[in-house]
Amino acid sequence: AQSVTQPDIHITVSEGASLELRCNYSYGATPYLFWYVQSPGQGLQLLLKYFSGDTLVQGIKGFEAEFKRSQSSFNLRKPSVHWSDAAEYFCAVGAAGGSYIPTFGRGTSLIVHP
Amino acid sequence: GAVVSQHPSWVICKSGTSVKIECRSLDFQATTMFWYRQFPKQSLMLMATSNEGSKATYEQGVEKDKFLINHASLTLSTLTVTSAHPEDSSFYICSGTKGVDLYGETQYFGPGTRLLVL
Repeated sequence: AQSVTQPDIHITVSEGASLELRCNYSYGATPYLFWYVQSPGQGLQLLLKYFSGDTLVQGIKGFEAEFKRSQSSFNLRKPSVHWSDAAEYFCAVGAAGGSYIPTFGRGTSLIVHP
Repeated sequence: GAVVSQHPSWVICKSGTSVKIECRSLDFQATTMFWYRQFPKQSLMLMATSNEGSKATYEQGVEKDKFLINHASLTLSTLTVTSAHPEDSSFYICSGTKGVDLYGETQYFGPGTRLLVL
């Protein structure tokens, strides 16, 4: 079974600073990887996903993530954070070729200081 | 786009009553719908998976008699919390998949329903 770890519960950055949210997964084969964002009291919105091909994935809202098989990681990055990016971010991993129901990490709360 | 709505967005009920939450895919046919439960500051816990016209598949530890799921059409799934108790208070989120992605499925999430049982 697949699993995903988001080691940081909270991340605080200043507006305009760069951001990297960590995600590590455990799965024996090639995983499907997702990043979702959840604003307070809202459902989840897909930021980006990786299935195959280019390991650097571009998403919405200026986010990108890089799949590193050797490190079992799929970290989310943004070069310049905006105050509106403050939210909860969830990494999720799905199993290729089998059940596509992804497993979600516990989330990382992003706090943006003005 | 792929929009999923939930109704109501929040509900308060008395202990012992039943509450129905609707999940609708507005601009696509959701071959599969999922129901999640989210506790404060925690991740999503999958409760059940449902395909249109079939019985829902419940995750281990989820009481199927308490959380009744009906997937009557390709655009509507309902979750009924029967005889609700305060411990059922939570944020319930549904999602749907289109069934067209070749490599895995992207889930489209509803905005969630906050349930408070007094």
